[in-house]
Amino acid sequence: NAGVTQTPKFQVLKTGQSMTLQCAQDMNHEYMSWYRQDPGMGLRLIHYSVGAGITDQGEVPNGYNVSRSTTEDFPLRLLSAAPSQTSVYFCASSYSGLAGKPTDTQYFGPGTRLTVL
Amino acid sequence: KQEVTQIPAALSVPEGENLVLNCSFTDSAIYNLQWFRQDPGKGLTSLLLIQSSQREQTSGRLNASLDKSSGRSTLYIAASQPGDSATYLCAVKFLGNEKLTFGTGTRLTIIP
Repeated sequence: NAGVTQTPKFQVLKTGQSMTLQCAQDMNHEYMSWYRQDPGMGLRLIHYSVGAGITDQGEVPNGYNVSRSTTEDFPLRLLSAAPSQTSVYFCASSYSGLAGKPTDTQYFGPGTRLTVL
Repeated sequence: KQEVTQIPAALSVPEGENLVLNCSFTDSAIYNLQWFRQDPGKGLTSLLLIQSSQREQTSGRLNASLDKSSGRSTLYIAASQPGDSATYLCAVKFLGNEKLTFGTGTRLTIIP
């Protein structure tokens, strides 16, 4: 298994540009999520999905969109990049138990380092 | 407010010593707690997951304990090695909350 893969590894954007961060997993996990990691603030949840066709907002969803058309893929879209979105973005997945709650180990991708100028 | 705290932010220990990393959380109503390792510029690797009904989990030289009533978890590393140098993150899934709440981590350096 490749686990959780993310592309690109690095990206530089100008303010106002849009882009999509890709995330894929080959473990047939129902639950997928996106986090951003900023110095001194830990990881914060942006959006999550409990299965194909179902997404919901996390702690810091503004400026980001997600979709989940397949079990494997969970792309994160930046609609109009802002310097405040400069961060490292991590995608994670896990099995989910009853009511879509992630009960098992969370597997993280290697991250995408995004800089917005 | 549901928060997770890890103190100290950084720790240096001579090789071979046993050590304990601390994690505290503000609400005892948790679903599970997970310890991660993060190497510089890399993603997070799950080390141990403790469900709320468990008191501890072990994997090799690592042992994680959970005391919900006091809001504390510890990660014990036996016979430390230079390869253990990394940032260790604690994450809690509180009941009624979809997200994992992360601490800001302890950066561990093992001195050869």
